[in-house]
Amino acid sequence: DAKTTQPTSMDCAEGRAANLPCNHSTISGNEYVYWYRQIHSQGPQYIIHGLKNNETNEMASLIITEDRKSSTLILPHATLRDTAVYYCIVRVDSNYQLIWGAGTKLIIKP
Amino acid sequence: NAGVMQNPRHLVRRRGQEARLRCSPMKGHSHVYWYRQLPEEGLKFMVYLQKENIIDESGMPKERFSAEFPKEGPSILRIQQVVRGDSAAYFCASSSRLNTGELFFGEGSRLTVL
Repeated sequence: DAKTTQPTSMDCAEGRAANLPCNHSTISGNEYVYWYRQIHSQGPQYIIHGLKNNETNEMASLIITEDRKSSTLILPHATLRDTAVYYCIVRVDSNYQLIWGAGTKLIIKP
Repeated sequence: NAGVMQNPRHLVRRRGQEARLRCSPMKGHSHVYWYRQLPEEGLKFMVYLQKENIIDESGMPKERFSAEFPKEGPSILRIQQVVRGDSAAYFCASSSRLNTGELFFGEGSRLTVL
């Protein structure tokens, strides 16, 4: 079973920041938080991952709380093309399986 | 650089037939993973292969399903005697190294069993 809890769906206005929360209250010290997204009928796309420090790349920012029990993925300026299902996954670095939950369906509205 | 290539994109089979799904990893990647996705659900791990070796097949049904990744050529996921419950999207992913969660996925093969 997935070790994360995410809202089923969210809306965001185009051009605004989209903030997607994820709870992982049972995360272990050696587990990373990964985010992927899946645009309709396409393969999943890696977005970002982190252990305990906040991370930023060209796609998004990842904010992990100090106790590591939750995190937030931030898309700074959402576009219509960001409409997708976003998956938050926790993974031990020595384990090559990714265990996927149902994700959050993010709809960007014009 | 070409991404992960899967074919066919869509495959229709009748019950009892065989389905073969192919996956060519990204150039330079020697680690291949197969995942299955049912509608409105997340992906489920099936099998992890390196060149010529099956490393972990714990997510793959013991019967009718097999996977290979030969020294030359694509990885193949083979489903014998398909049943309606095999209808799903099958995704292949590849990575360049062990112990990474950063996978590159193909566009998937959608199997429909009539």
